[in-house]
Amino acid sequence: KAGVTQTPRYLIKTRGQQVTLSCSPISGHRSVSWYQQTPGQGLQFLFEYFSETQRNKGNFPGRFSGRQFSNSRSEMNVSTLELGDSALYLCASSLGPGQGMNTEAFFGQGTRLTVV
Amino acid sequence: LAKTTQPISMDSYEGQEVNITCSHNNIATNDYITWYQQFPSQGPRFIIQGYKTKVTNEVASLFIPADRKSSTLSLPRVSLSDTAVYYCLVGDPGYSSASKIIFGSGTRLSIRP
Repeated sequence: KAGVTQTPRYLIKTRGQQVTLSCSPISGHRSVSWYQQTPGQGLQFLFEYFSETQRNKGNFPGRFSGRQFSNSRSEMNVSTLELGDSALYLCASSLGPGQGMNTEAFFGQGTRLTVV
Repeated sequence: LAKTTQPISMDSYEGQEVNITCSHNNIATNDYITWYQQFPSQGPRFIIQGYKTKVTNEVASLFIPADRKSSTLSLPRVSLSDTAVYYCLVGDPGYSSASKIIFGSGTRLSIRP
């Protein structure tokens, strides 16, 4: 079956602009999470969505937001971009909570965002 | 979610068995232990998950002692392609969902010819 698809793969934006990233989870997966990865901070959790509802949120400013659609596809938006937002943004999908042992998360290839 | 501690880096040679140990002293009763592998500019990939004793799949084995305060990922006969960062994670998949994963610093494994 198809894996997690993130678009676009690469993006260059200017400070102050906004950006929207997209994530299509594996078919049947209802939980989608977003992560930011930078060399200095490593992998940091942004937020998690399940059945169109945000269930968890990491410690990021309000400029970072997201949503999930009825087909489980998710988007994240970053407004008023700063140079420090340059990172690899990863999306992960899983079946959802309460699935017991088989709850591995499948990650996409990520979107490389560069803010200049 | 329980905090994990693992070595920052490890080196080994092709054909050797590599063991990466992770400490998780405050692991909770419902927590599972999961390991992920990440190559540069790619998303992490699930390797193995376990609760206690030993779990083995086609790529690795996971050893968990009775007190569950540590775990060891064992990679048999590594090759150059096993060079990657390996993350140990601890959490309750039934409560928090596997998608809310807190990653530590990981172990950067370098395999030499």
